[in-house]
Amino acid sequence: AQSVTQLGSHVSVSEGALVLLRCNYSSSVPPYLFWYVQYPNQGLQLLLKYTSAATLVKGINGFEAEFKKSETSFHLTKPSAHMSDAAEYFCAVTDTSGTYKYIFGTGTRLKVLA
Amino acid sequence: DTGVSQDPRHKITKRGQNVTFRCDPISEHNRLYWYRQTLGQGPEFLTYFQNEAQLEKSRLLSDRFSAERPKGSFSTLEIQRTEQGDSAMYLCASSPGPRELFFGEGSRLTVL
Repeated sequence: AQSVTQLGSHVSVSEGALVLLRCNYSSSVPPYLFWYVQYPNQGLQLLLKYTSAATLVKGINGFEAEFKKSETSFHLTKPSAHMSDAAEYFCAVTDTSGTYKYIFGTGTRLKVLA
Repeated sequence: DTGVSQDPRHKITKRGQNVTFRCDPISEHNRLYWYRQTLGQGPEFLTYFQNEAQLEKSRLLSDRFSAERPKGSFSTLEIQRTEQGDSAMYLCASSPGPRELFFGEGSRLTVL
């Protein structure tokens, strides 16, 4: 069965510093992978997705992620953190059983320090 | 606004009462999903519809929970005899295919 593990439930970075949020997946078949962002009391917004095309995926708000099959990882990065990036970030993998439901990680809360 | 719409956004109820949440998906999307998110956790899958057919239900969906999608349009999620453990954010998502889910803003339930 597919699953994702997000290392670090809380990450703090200084404004302007590199953001690195970690995600490792488990899948028996080539996966579809996603990163979503959630602001307080809101739904989830798609940041970026990997669907077996380019391994380096660029998303919105300056975020990008690299699919590394050998490491079963899909880490999210942003070169320079902004205060508005403070939110909860979720990595997800698609279940390939037919429903294509998403299986989410437990999330990483990003705090940006002034 | 052509996104996924959920109503109500917030619901406070007393234990033992019934509650119903509604989701209006993006109009051309035939796939609809319900998720539950508790504090500090990622969303957990509850159920999936393709058009009006409910094709998968999670074991999280106890017999107090029922979901419908009449005519393959909007969907409702009803919780009967609510318990405090039902307090959570209930998220609806729709999709035209397997590669991206579009989420609504969620319905937050508080059971006193």
